[in-house]
Amino acid sequence: GENVEQHPSTLSVQEGDSAVIKCTYSDSASNYFPWYKQELGKRPQLIIDIRSNVGEKKDQRIAVTLNKTAKHFSLHITETQPEDSAVYFCAASIKTGNQFYFGTGTSLTVIP
Amino acid sequence: DVKVTQSSRYLVKRTGEKVFLECVQDMDHENMFWYRQDPGLGLRLIYFSYDVKMKEKGDIPEGYSVSREKKERFSLILESASTNQTSMYLCASSLHPVRPGEQFFGPGTRLTVL
Repeated sequence: GENVEQHPSTLSVQEGDSAVIKCTYSDSASNYFPWYKQELGKRPQLIIDIRSNVGEKKDQRIAVTLNKTAKHFSLHITETQPEDSAVYFCAASIKTGNQFYFGTGTSLTVIP
Repeated sequence: DVKVTQSSRYLVKRTGEKVFLECVQDMDHENMFWYRQDPGLGLRLIYFSYDVKMKEKGDIPEGYSVSREKKERFSLILESASTNQTSMYLCASSLHPVRPGEQFFGPGTRLTVL
């Protein structure tokens, strides 16, 4: 099956700086890559996703890039704010399946 | 607005007990999922279902079973709870049976097995 690796496991940045979280996947058939944000004590919520026919997608301060050749995708958060502090999960889903394979999560702390 | 609810936020059970975790979604979604979340391990899929009475094993099905008798309801069953099943359990649902799309999560059930 698919294997998703996520780095780093923890990340601290100063408010206003950028944060980058990277994920790699193993199955070239994967074609959907969502990112979820989970605030402390809350449920994971989708913040951005990308499909394999697109190389980059942006939504305000958040962007995701996908490199299908290298089988990696990254989450970029610019101008970080304290409310960005949370655990972020990447995931991959293969074309004919419904399963998500999640990374192990990155705990992001934005220091005011 | 999609709503996924779970029957309990916190649950304490004893080793050997049979445990039922219930999940209900109100948006007529085809797919439903059960994950467990443990620190450092992310979210791991236990079982999922893409239709009523259909179920598929995920990555860690051992010690668990599921039931989907109605489209909106997906139950996770621990036949004989063990201490290593102490965890946060998250239910999720998504719309399309084939094309991957956003999964909507419930609030989670924190299960402690003593």
